[in-house]
Amino acid sequence: EVQLLESGGGLVQPGGSLRLSCAASGFTFSSYAMSWVRQAPGKGLEWVSDISGSGDSTFYADSVKGRFTISRDNSKNTLYLQMNSLRAEDTAVYYCAEAVGYSYGVHWGQGTLVTVSS
Amino acid sequence: DIQMTQAPYSLSASVGDRVTINCRASQGIRNDLDWYQQKPGKAPKRLIYVASSLQSGVPARFSGSGSGTEFSLTISSLQPEDFATYYCLQHNSYPRTFGQGTKVEIK
Repeated sequence: EVQLLESGGGLVQPGGSLRLSCAASGFTFSSYAMSWVRQAPGKGLEWVSDISGSGDSTFYADSVKGRFTISRDNSKNTLYLQMNSLRAEDTAVYYCAEAVGYSYGVHWGQGTLVTVSS
Repeated sequence: DIQMTQAPYSLSASVGDRVTINCRASQGIRNDLDWYQQKPGKAPKRLIYVASSLQSGVPARFSGSGSGTEFSLTISSLQPEDFATYYCLQHNSYPRTFGQGTKVEIK
């Protein structure tokens, strides 16, 4: 059974940093591109970032480019999102998922809440 | 960037109704479009991929159509468990973009 379990969310001050993790199990993690998608409270879904299975290719939304970094450790079956220079508008539930738009892009985690506030 | 415009923003319908949600891309995206369902407090669930392919395990009352710039999701006979918010997603190019969502409510 595929499982994606996010962690690392919490309350952070504007300008601060946070690193999200997503522990994957039940599939050959290194063979799958992965995504981060977020959802601000009461708002719609926003794609944030993708990374290839090998980690060689990464893609970002304009809203996070230069501030967020996606990475993965295939030896640990774990996906990461390093978030720097956080802003109030980054407040959201962050989901990790098998890469959205890929044929296998079905499974999502349960999400982790990031709140940026002073 | 490709903009995805969904309509309507919300709708009220009764159990048994036929419901259609539309999604328009700002430029042609072939059939590179998926549909998701999201219930409150839950992760999104993929219903349709590449515009018209039904995800395994999803009831056959859900169907998708379209290509290029115009797409639609149809629920042939609305069931109580279908009251949720629906999103389209284009994956033709980066950045990926979702539609604004359509909330389907009980009339």
